[in-house]
Amino acid sequence: SQKIEQNSEALNIQEGKTATLTCNYTNYSPAYLQWYRQDPGRGPVFLLLIRENEKEKRKERLKVTFDTTLKQSLFHITASQPADSATYLCALDEGYGGATNKLIFGTGTLLAVQP
Amino acid sequence: DTAVSQTPKYLVTQMGNDKSIKCEQNLGHDTMYWYKQDSKKFLKIMFSYNNKELIINETVPNRFSPKSPDKAHLNLHINSLELGDSAVYFCASSQVRRGGGADTQYFGPGTRLTVL
Repeated sequence: SQKIEQNSEALNIQEGKTATLTCNYTNYSPAYLQWYRQDPGRGPVFLLLIRENEKEKRKERLKVTFDTTLKQSLFHITASQPADSATYLCALDEGYGGATNKLIFGTGTLLAVQP
Repeated sequence: DTAVSQTPKYLVTQMGNDKSIKCEQNLGHDTMYWYKQDSKKFLKIMFSYNNKELIINETVPNRFSPKSPDKAHLNLHINSLELGDSAVYFCASSQVRRGGGADTQYFGPGTRLTVL
């Protein structure tokens, strides 16, 4: 079955630097992959979605890449700010050969941006 | 306006009790979900309903029973609560795309259930 691996260790970076978070999956390439942000005591909030035929997606200071050869997605936050501090979750559709609407989530990576 | 709302936000109860969590979405979505997030922050899907029809039913004890009176509501009833049921439960909704595949999921604020 499909598994997602995110770095469970917290990522500490200085304000203004670029944060790069990694999401690896173990099996077949999903139809799409998503990134969510979760703040303490709140539900996840959608950030970006990238489909299997897309290499890169951008939204303001956020960039997501999808490498089906490496079975990996990278999530970048440029010019990071303390307000970017949160847990970032990677999620992918479990379906093989097509989407199923069933998302599998990684355990998330805690990002701490120091002022 | 709250897109996906859940009540209650906190629920503390004794083992063996029966409790319900309610969820409502005002986004007009046709699919709703229940997730469980354990103490290690692992978020796992439990159920999914599309237009009031159950479409995803993970390996969840049958003490958990979802009910969807209409496509804007998905409630979760839990019988005979156990200590291991303590977790945060999230409701979510999405609009399934034509041709298959959901886009983004919108999550509620969560219900923290503590079983004593």
